[in-house]
Amino acid sequence: DGGITQSPKYLFRKEGQNVTLSCEQNLNHDAMYWYRQDPGQGLRLIYYSQIVNDFQKGDIAEGYSVSREKKESFPLTVTSAQKNPTAFYLCASSPRLAGLGMQETQYFGPGTRLLVL
Amino acid sequence: AQSVTQLDSHVSVSEGTPVLLRCNYSSSYSPSLFWYVQHPNKGLQLLLKYTSAATLVKGINGFEAEFKKSETSFHLTKPSAHMSDAAEYFCVVSPFTGNQFYFGTGTSLTVIP
Repeated sequence: DGGITQSPKYLFRKEGQNVTLSCEQNLNHDAMYWYRQDPGQGLRLIYYSQIVNDFQKGDIAEGYSVSREKKESFPLTVTSAQKNPTAFYLCASSPRLAGLGMQETQYFGPGTRLLVL
Repeated sequence: AQSVTQLDSHVSVSEGTPVLLRCNYSSSYSPSLFWYVQHPNKGLQLLLKYTSAATLVKGINGFEAEFKKSETSFHLTKPSAHMSDAAEYFCVVSPFTGNQFYFGTGTSLTVIP
């Protein structure tokens, strides 16, 4: 089955700790995205990547970091600088990056809920 | 500038009655428009998408949406609600230029037995 997997489903972070959320896709998509979802606020873009070894900040990148060493993987690290990390994190991918007249569709993983101890 | 407005944060309908979830957008050029559904603690599932073909788009689970350029709307409808339709629904726009998807704040649909 093709799709996007995220792990773990639930993650607990202690004060001052960095944690890493995993996102893997086997859809052969070039573009990948990380979103944060808070109640009543929809989804906000943290980072996106259009190709291996390239990534760009989204609207709320502060306190987060990413890497894109492989096409199928786009892990997100929530650093200790992120003071309010409790949220539901969603990873998505699309065949290519949207824009320039290309009409792309995003496909989402099941999400990781991050909680602070 | 691009934006998406979902006009109702909560909608409640009785089982078997029609569903209407409203979405208005602003975009400089012809955008792509999407509706996604999210069940509790799950990812987003694509319901349907508009990409400048037919203005009436049919999706999964009996949902459809009509693109109305003059009204800049992309409302989601279903003739008869089912209990399993209870979920959060997101309207999303991807502009012709630019490289982001813009999400509405979501509409929570409750279906009353």
